[in-house]
Order: sequence, then structure tokens, then C-alpha cells
Amino acid sequence: TQLLEQSPQFLSIQEGENLTVYCNSSSVFSSLQWYRQEPGEGPVLLVTVVTGGEVKKLKRLTFQFGDARKDSSLHITAAQTGDTGLYLCAGERGGSNYKLTFGKGTLLTVNP
Amino acid sequence: SQTIHQWPATLVQPVGSPLSLECTVEGTSNPNLYWYRQAAGRGLQLLFYSVGIGQISSEVPQNLSASRPQDRQFILSSKKLLLSDSGFYLCAWSADRGLYEQYFGPGTRLTVT
Repeated sequence: TQLLEQSPQFLSIQEGENLTVYCNSSSVFSSLQWYRQEPGEGPVLLVTVVTGGEVKKLKRLTFQFGDARKDSSLHITAAQTGDTGLYLCAGERGGSNYKLTFGKGTLLTVNP
Repeated sequence: SQTIHQWPATLVQPVGSPLSLECTVEGTSNPNLYWYRQAAGRGLQLLFYSVGIGQISSEVPQNLSASRPQDRQFILSSKKLLLSDSGFYLCAWSADRGLYEQYFGPGTRLTVT
């Protein structure tokens, strides 16, 4: 059972378009993180959301945590080729003994 | 600032040979340490994690083992590699309190031939 479902699995868009990717679960998380990974490199932490309904912005990226803390979304405005990569969400559940639950990721390709 | 190192970056090993991957963290003390394997650029599979020296928790029964001989050193080993051990291995650390945000090393690409 995959606790965190990410959709879509693959997304290919043109530069300048907007997009949203989703991270959904039936479980409640104490916090949720988004990472971006480029080919051959380790994931890099983008943001952590903690409070239900929280919205955080990182330049053209907007992250939202669901009110019930079971889901999250990442919206990118005016995508650039440099946004290409694998976007992973990861959640921490209370009592998880320091472990994160990772989704399988959304592979985003932004074409010039 | 904190830095995490992994080596080697790439490794090609024959089936049945031993394995040792090393991970070290600088700039923090008593970190939580993690080993993940990633297949085909997709999700991360947690293999081992450690909350202190000599304390190892295994998540998946397999051909691998982990050790933490020093506070900021984490080693992934195998006595005899299998073809199925091929993959991208990532080490990560998190603080021992707070949000447990994880910070990843550059990874090791292992190919078992």
C-alpha cells in the first residue's frame, strides 16, 4: 500500500505554462515536505509545510498543505526548463520514529 | 553549515563480490542517518536508519547490512552482491529533533554485473 500517492506520474509541458502536481493520502501527517531531484543527484529539500491550510511560496513555486493535513499540492507558474526534474513529496507521521514516507514522484519535463 | 558526503560516486562490481559504501556528515552532531535505494529514477526505498552510534534499524530484509561506527559515519555493506542490488543508493541525514527534514548526499550509482 502506497501511503502517499503522487499525480500525475509524468508531465511534459512547454516553457511558460503553468502546472500543478498533487500528493494525496488517507493518512494524516504531522508535516509534509517537497523535494526536487535532478538526474544522477540526490533530492534537494524545497519546502516543509506543517499547518493545515498552510501556503508557502518559493519564487514561482506555490506549495499548499490540505486543511486536514492529508494532501498537498505544488503549483509552478510560468515553468522554465530549469524546473525539469523529479518532484517527490514526503510526509512524517506522528510516532514514525524519525522516518519519512515518500511518494513515488512526478517526473516533470519542461520543453523549450 | 552542514555537508554530507558519499563515496564512491559510481561503482561496477561483479556478482558475489563484497560492497562497502560510505557516508559522512559534517557540521552537525548526533544526526539521524538513513540509507535509501532508488530504482529507475522513481521513489525512494528506505533500507536502514540510525538514531545513534551502533543503533541500526532495518526496513527491508535483504542482502545488505549497515553500520554506524562513529557519530557522523554510516556504512552500507554486503558480503556477496546480487544482480538485484544494482541501483542508486542515497544517504541522508536529519536533525535529532524538530521536523526531521532530510538532507541527501549526491548518491552512489551501483551496477552489479
